[in-house]
Amino acid sequence: NAGVTQTPKFQVLKTGQSMTLQCAQDMNHEYMSWYRQDPGMGLRLIHYSVGAGITDQGEVPNGYNVSRSTTEDFPLRLLSAAPSQTSVYFCASSYTMGGRYEQYFGPGTRLTVT
Amino acid sequence: KQEVTQIPAALSVPEGENLVLNCSFTDSAIYNLQWFRQDPGKGLTSLLLIQSSQREQTSGRLNASLDKSSGRSTLYIAASQPGDSATYLCAGRHGSSNTGKLIFGQGTTLQVKP
Repeated sequence: NAGVTQTPKFQVLKTGQSMTLQCAQDMNHEYMSWYRQDPGMGLRLIHYSVGAGITDQGEVPNGYNVSRSTTEDFPLRLLSAAPSQTSVYFCASSYTMGGRYEQYFGPGTRLTVT
Repeated sequence: KQEVTQIPAALSVPEGENLVLNCSFTDSAIYNLQWFRQDPGKGLTSLLLIQSSQREQTSGRLNASLDKSSGRSTLYIAASQPGDSATYLCAGRHGSSNTGKLIFGQGTTLQVKP
């Protein structure tokens, strides 16, 4: 299994541009989520999904959209990039059956907004 | 609101030393607690997951404990090696449903000197 994969690894955007961060997993996990990691703030949940067609907001959802059309993919869209969205973005997934919920993380996308 | 704290923020030890990393949480109604390792510029690797009904979990030189009543978890690393140098994060999960949230501590950065 490739696990959780993310593309791109690095991205530089200008303020106002839009883009999509890709996330895919091949473990048939129901649960997928997006976090951002900032110095001094730790990891914070942006959006999550408990299955195809179902998404919900996390702690810091403003400025981001998500959709889940398949079990495997969970893209994160930045609608109009702002410098405050400069961060490292991690996608994660887990099983929900069996009550274990062990999270597996992707390698991250480092985003800079100028 | 659940808060997760890790002290110290940084730790430097000589090779071979046994060490303990601390994680405290404010809400004892925790479902499980997961310890991660993060190398610089990389994603998070799951080390150990402890369910709320368990007291400890072991993997190789790592042992994690959970005490819900005192709101504490510890990660014990035996016979530390330079390859153990990384940031260690703990994260507490709230809720047994698949909408439960993972709350992260800010991490302890460990340096093991040869």
